[in-house]
Amino acid sequence: QQPVQSPQAVILREGEDAVINCSSSKALYSVHWYRQKHGEAPVFLMILLKGGEQKGHEKISASFNEKKQQSSLYLTASQLSYSGTYFCGTGGAYSGAGSYQLTFGKGTKLSVIP
Amino acid sequence: IAGITQAPTSQILAAGRRMTLRCTQDMRHNAMYWYRQDLGLGLRLIHYSNTAGTTGKGEVPDGYSVSRANTDDFPLTLASAVPSQTSVYFCASRSGLNTEAFFGQGTRLTVV
Repeated sequence: QQPVQSPQAVILREGEDAVINCSSSKALYSVHWYRQKHGEAPVFLMILLKGGEQKGHEKISASFNEKKQQSSLYLTASQLSYSGTYFCGTGGAYSGAGSYQLTFGKGTKLSVIP
Repeated sequence: IAGITQAPTSQILAAGRRMTLRCTQDMRHNAMYWYRQDLGLGLRLIHYSNTAGTTGKGEVPDGYSVSRANTDDFPLTLASAVPSQTSVYFCASRSGLNTEAFFGQGTRLTVV
């Protein structure tokens, strides 16, 4: 079952902040975040594991609350290069007979304009 | 350059024909995946493999089959293509449960 992402799309001006949310009806053991530019393959941003840790990548950070089965991606002081579609992926231990399933949401399209 | 390679890059296929999309990785990753990407639907998992010799069904497996005879290769076969299988297909791999996934460059398939 795909995790649910919100919003579906967001338009920002350079320098503005954004939050992208990801939630699941199933227990989460890890959350992945990827960014895909138009016509390209998704590229890994970060992975968060059980424990509520927050990770960072440049001015992009994320949090993971396994009790609420949610993760959020925070983009601060957005740059033009941040434009793209962001996907959260969920999976890890116990996602099905110890499988390595990695399931993605429908994506959030982020457009940063000058 | 180490990585994951898909072939072909694009293909136009007549409905009813059989087609195999190829995926090869040289990173010795255990897990491999096939996704299809359609506008508004994100990345949907078709099949996956935890390790060589094992495969599993994802969210949208109907009409597709896979095999994992060795660590490096994970081909996806459409036995009898239908227009609804028109999509961009991505192969991915990763080494373990809590590691990042690497994606191939994608195969754009059009079934007419």
